[in-house]
Amino acid sequence: DTEVTQTPKHLVMGMTNKKSLKCEQHMGHRAMYWYKQKAKKPPELMFVYSYEKLSINESVPSRFSPECPNSSLLNLHLHALQPEDSALYLCASSHATMNEQYFGPGTRLTVT
Amino acid sequence: GQQLNQSPQSMFIQEGEDVSMNCTSSSIFNTWLWYKQDPGEGPVLLIALYKAGELTSNGRLTAQFGITRKDSFLNISASIPSDVGIYFCAGPNAGGTSYGKLTFGQGTILTVHP
Repeated sequence: DTEVTQTPKHLVMGMTNKKSLKCEQHMGHRAMYWYKQKAKKPPELMFVYSYEKLSINESVPSRFSPECPNSSLLNLHLHALQPEDSALYLCASSHATMNEQYFGPGTRLTVT
Repeated sequence: GQQLNQSPQSMFIQEGEDVSMNCTSSSIFNTWLWYKQDPGEGPVLLIALYKAGELTSNGRLTAQFGITRKDSFLNISASIPSDVGIYFCAGPNAGGTSYGKLTFGQGTILTVHP
């Protein structure tokens, strides 16, 4: 099974809201990732967790806060977002950081 | 940092035609990955290549890892309407502070006319 699940599928939030995106995998992968993707562009890496520890933060604004509660779960907490943060947010996982990554279906986020 | 040049940027073909796209880099990659993304969905891994010269097939898809480790191509034979989407090549960075980070090509947008 190579499934990564993400919830919610769609999210609309105001600039003063606080919301969270959730990602789950049961493949025993020890690396998990958050990406942001704009239309017809490649995914842009935001964060990498390796063995439940944050290993890469691509200079992401602090209004995005990642959390890895355990080896199967990855959250992205959102607060005081801007309209330009509207995008498809993708979660991915891999056995280790040098292996092929498997992506979830994404959360379509709209900030109003 | 590492960059991948993917071409063509877009293709408009008739159903039944074969398709070829490629990625090149100025630096070496030890793994090449090919993904397909449907609108509103996440990228799906099509083929992973691990050895220089490796030729791998997955149904109507064939991909090769270039001998120089700096290029890869993806072929789709006898295209069908469901092949429509964006195809991305990607490779994991091998060193430095970007260890494990995937570098993506800019994507090839494929349109198939019935």
